[in-house]
Amino acid sequence: NAGVTQTPKFQVLKTGQSMTLQCAQDMNHEYMSWYRQDPGMGLRLIHYSVGAGITDQGEVPNGYNVSRSTTEDFPLRLLSAAPSQTSVYFCASKREGEQYFGPGTRLTVT
Amino acid sequence: RKEVEQDPGPFNVPEGATVAFNCTYSNSASQSFFWYRQDCRKEPKLLMSVYSSGNEDGRFTAQLNRASQYISLLIRDSKLSDSATYLCVVPSGTGFQKLVFGTGTRLLVSP
Repeated sequence: NAGVTQTPKFQVLKTGQSMTLQCAQDMNHEYMSWYRQDPGMGLRLIHYSVGAGITDQGEVPNGYNVSRSTTEDFPLRLLSAAPSQTSVYFCASKREGEQYFGPGTRLTVT
Repeated sequence: RKEVEQDPGPFNVPEGATVAFNCTYSNSASQSFFWYRQDCRKEPKLLMSVYSSGNEDGRFTAQLNRASQYISLLIRDSKLSDSATYLCVVPSGTGFQKLVFGTGTRLLVSP
């Protein structure tokens, strides 16, 4: 099992550009989520999904969209990148209590 | 009050020491709790689950105090490799599906 995979590992965007962060899991987990991690702020939930076709907002959803067309994939879209979105982004999937994280995407918006 | 609060540290301890961190939570209905470990620039990984009064795994002991709404993590005989950030995690929301993470406590174990 590959677990949770994320691409790309690093990305630099200019303000106003859009992009999609990819996330996939091969553990057949229903629950998937996206977090961002900033120094001193901890992990903050952006969006989550409890199954294919179902998504909901987390703590900091503004500026991000998600969709869940399959159990395996949960992409995160940045609509118009802003410097405030410079962060490390983690995708995760969960079975019961244990959450498995991907390796993260380090995004810089200039 | 934040849903989950942790002392950010850092806790600086020598090898072999015993160290303990606390984490307080606000939702008295929460039933299960978790400690995750995060190494620098890496993803968090599950260290321990705490479902009732406590849990022990080798040198690590997690305890739950429902009356005071805190969980603790005790590390005995600290190793250099224990240096990391320890994240307290509490389920929240409808059906307690969402996981709320504390900001983490940094531990530095020195020779």
